Amino acid sequence: EAQVTQNPRYLITVTGKKLTVTCSQNMNHEYMSWYRQDPGLGLRQIYYSMNVEVTDKGDVPEGYKVSRKEKRNFPLILESPSPNQTSLYFCASRAASRNEQFFGPGTRLTVL
Amino acid sequence: AQSVTQLGSHVSVSEGALVLLRCNYSSSVPPYLFWYVQYPNQGLQLLLKYTTGATLVKGINGFEAEFKKSETSFHLTKPSAHMSDAAEYFCAVSDQAGANNLFFGTGTRLTVIP
Repeated sequence: EAQVTQNPRYLITVTGKKLTVTCSQNMNHEYMSWYRQDPGLGLRQIYYSMNVEVTDKGDVPEGYKVSRKEKRNFPLILESPSPNQTSLYFCASRAASRNEQFFGPGTRLTVL
Repeated sequence: AQSVTQLGSHVSVSEGALVLLRCNYSSSVPPYLFWYVQYPNQGLQLLLKYTTGATLVKGINGFEAEFKKSETSFHLTKPSAHMSDAAEYFCAVSDQAGANNLFFGTGTRLTVIP
């Protein structure tokens, strides 16, 4: 089954404790992206990657890092999480020449 | 630059009634337009999309949307609401195939009243 998977689905952590949210897709998509969803703000892009070893900032990159060492994986790293990063995070992927993005199930992160 | 405005953060309809969710976009170039649905505790699922061609687009679950360039709108409709339609709906725009980003609206939560 074609899908985007994220782990963990739920995470509660404390300020300053480094964490990684994994994202993997099995559709051989070149493009991957991370969004955060906050009430009243819709989805905002954090980082994106056009292909392996090619990443760039989205609209709200502060406090986040990403890497793209393999085509299928695009982890989101919070080196020192803060409470304002409490949010619902979505990973998405698409083929290079298409607009249709496929979304993962989301990761709900709470930073205390 | 692209942007999307969804009028009404919450919409309630009775079961069997018409569903109308409004979306207006801003784009300096011909837009690609999308509606996504998010069911509780799930990710976003594509309902339908407009790229080029026919302006009336049919999607899954009986939804459709019409691209109206003169009104810069892409409203989502369904003739008869079902309880299972209760969800949050997002309109999104991008400016070209393969473009980096989708610009999302703030979402409309649809409640269906039995």
